[in-house]
Amino acid sequence: DAGVIQSPRHEVTEMGQEVTLRCKPISGHDYLFWYRQTMMRGLELLIYFNNNVPIDDSGMPEDRFSAKMPNASFSTLKIQPSEPRDSAVYFCASRGGPNSGNTIYFGEGSWLTVV
Amino acid sequence: SQKIEQNSEALNIQEGKTATLTCNYTNYSPAYLQWYRQDPGRGPVFLLLIRENEKEKRKERLKVTFDTTLKQSLFHITASQPADSATYLCALHVNDMRFGAGTRLTVKP
Repeated sequence: DAGVIQSPRHEVTEMGQEVTLRCKPISGHDYLFWYRQTMMRGLELLIYFNNNVPIDDSGMPEDRFSAKMPNASFSTLKIQPSEPRDSAVYFCASRGGPNSGNTIYFGEGSWLTVV
Repeated sequence: SQKIEQNSEALNIQEGKTATLTCNYTNYSPAYLQWYRQDPGRGPVFLLLIRENEKEKRKERLKVTFDTTLKQSLFHITASQPADSATYLCALHVNDMRFGAGTRLTVKP
């Protein structure tokens, strides 16, 4: 299995631009998570999906952030408009159901810099 | 408020010694707790899971304890090696997975 695949790996964008991060979870996994990691705040859960349905988006910082999961093999995290304080590493992760061992598998992250 | 605290940002030890990392939590009742390793520029990688009814779990040179009364987990690496240098994160499962800020371990030769 290729693992969780994220794109782009690195993105530099100007303030005010729209940013779209993409994720392909591990095939067969029911849960998909979006995390953000910064030096100041560590690894924060933004939102997670179960069977493509958003379950908890309380970690999404503001309305500028949105996430979708149109099918079991694809999810996007969008920031519009982007701001310099959004600069961080964004991780997508997936997990199987309760009988799968509960291990979360992370992608390699999307490194976002907003200037 | 709910918190997950790892004892220190950084821990430096000499090769061959045992590294002990601490994870404390408040206002959570996790069904299980996990430890992950993160190398620079990479995503976290799962190491061990321990359930609320388990006191201790071992895997090779790794040992995890879980005290639900103290609300604490200890993560030990015995006979540490420079290759063990990384950031170690604890994570609690409640309805989802919440992570501590991590402890950066450096093992010096």
